[in-house]
Amino acid sequence: GNSVTQMEGPVTLSEEAFLTINCTYTATGYPSLFWYVQYPGEGLQLLLKATKADDKGSNKGFEATYRKETTSFHLEKGSVQVSDSAVYFCALSDPRSSASKIIFGSGTRLSIRP
Amino acid sequence: GAVVSQHPSRVICKSGTSVKIECRSLDFQATTMFWYRQFPKQSLMLMATSNEGSKATYEQGVEKDKFLINHASLTLSTLTVTSAHPEDSSFYICSADSGDTYNEQFFGPGTRLTVL
Repeated sequence: GNSVTQMEGPVTLSEEAFLTINCTYTATGYPSLFWYVQYPGEGLQLLLKATKADDKGSNKGFEATYRKETTSFHLEKGSVQVSDSAVYFCALSDPRSSASKIIFGSGTRLSIRP
Repeated sequence: GAVVSQHPSRVICKSGTSVKIECRSLDFQATTMFWYRQFPKQSLMLMATSNEGSKATYEQGVEKDKFLINHASLTLSTLTVTSAHPEDSSFYICSADSGDTYNEQFFGPGTRLTVL
């Protein structure tokens, strides 16, 4: 079945550090891939997405590239800010599924020190 | 972008009472909505898929008589936690399917339920 595995947290970095949160997936066919962010006490917000191999999703300085050969969708940011502190979820969706379910990874808590 | 709202944002109730949570898609129609439950510091667990005009599809292990879902219109789905108990205390999040090719879902801000 489809599944998502992401880097366990928590991850603690200093401001302006480089960020990588690893995410790999298992899926049949060609899923769409997403990164969602959850700020404390809030629901999920879509951060970025990629719908086919070699697509790069980007938003707010974050980037992730859909790598079919390594089944990965790692999240990166060149210089993190305190305001980036949140929980990040990698997810996939199978466009062929009529139920359009999203499968989430376990989440990675990111804390940025000033 | 598409907006999904939830009401209430927080609710505290006594054990044994029922609580209704609303999920609305504000600027688009959603034939399919989803209800998730999130325990502290954990990922989202899909509870059920809510289909407009038909019965919800529940995930394995979710009691359908406990968590009643109604999707009466293309913009509203409700989750009723019946006879709530302290173990039902959780963060409940809904999402709405955008209906686009890539099945993007838009999430509500969540409802924190505390059962005393």
